[in-house]
Amino acid sequence: QVQLVQSGAEVKKPGSSVKVSCKASGGTFSSYAISWVRQAPGQGLEWMGGIIPIFGTTNYAQKFQDRVTITADKSTSTAYMELSSLRSEDTAVYYCARGLAAAAGYDYYYYYMDVWGKGTTVTVSS
Amino acid sequence: EIVLTQSPGTLSLSPGERATLSCRASQSVSSTYLAWYQQKPGQAPRLLIYGASSRATGIPDRFSGSGSGTDFTLTISRLEPEDFAVYYCQLYGRSPSLTFGGGTKVEIK
Repeated sequence: QVQLVQSGAEVKKPGSSVKVSCKASGGTFSSYAISWVRQAPGQGLEWMGGIIPIFGTTNYAQKFQDRVTITADKSTSTAYMELSSLRSEDTAVYYCARGLAAAAGYDYYYYYMDVWGKGTTVTVSS
Repeated sequence: EIVLTQSPGTLSLSPGERATLSCRASQSVSSTYLAWYQQKPGQAPRLLIYGASSRATGIPDRFSGSGSGTDFTLTISRLEPEDFAVYYCQLYGRSPSLTFGGGTKVEIK
């Protein structure tokens, strides 16, 4: 049974960057999509973007396009999400989640997320 | 961009009662790409339903999903104590058009 193990909580200053890791164990990695979803305190879920290692593609929500970078290391089955120019509104729990993926031409499809990490709390405070 | 609106915001019910949660899309979507998740405090979301009506592995049959076009429903036939949580619908599919609804909290009356 695959598990996604995320890195620990972070406290960051405004304007800095944070990089969160998500290691898959117990299953295949490359043939799935890894999405990053965040949840601000008391708020709902927000898809930030994802990566499909087997296709070598990354896709980002428009809101985060300029500030987020998602990468993956297939050799260690680890995905990373780096968010730059942090502000207080980025204080949230960041989840990685696995789902099926597909490609049709230049379009990439992310399916439902059936395995989730436990989340990484990122606090942005001066 | 398609917006998912969930209603009601909060549903107050007693154990054993039936819960009906709504998710409305701002434009017609394929039911193939509609999922429901359950989230309890301090926990990650858990997949309940995908493809609008298919239960995920290990999900009890008291949970069912239905709908098409713009209107989708999650029904919990008889609430168990562990079902009190927040529920989210999600549109998945072609990136970057992945979005979640705002959530419905099912609380104990």
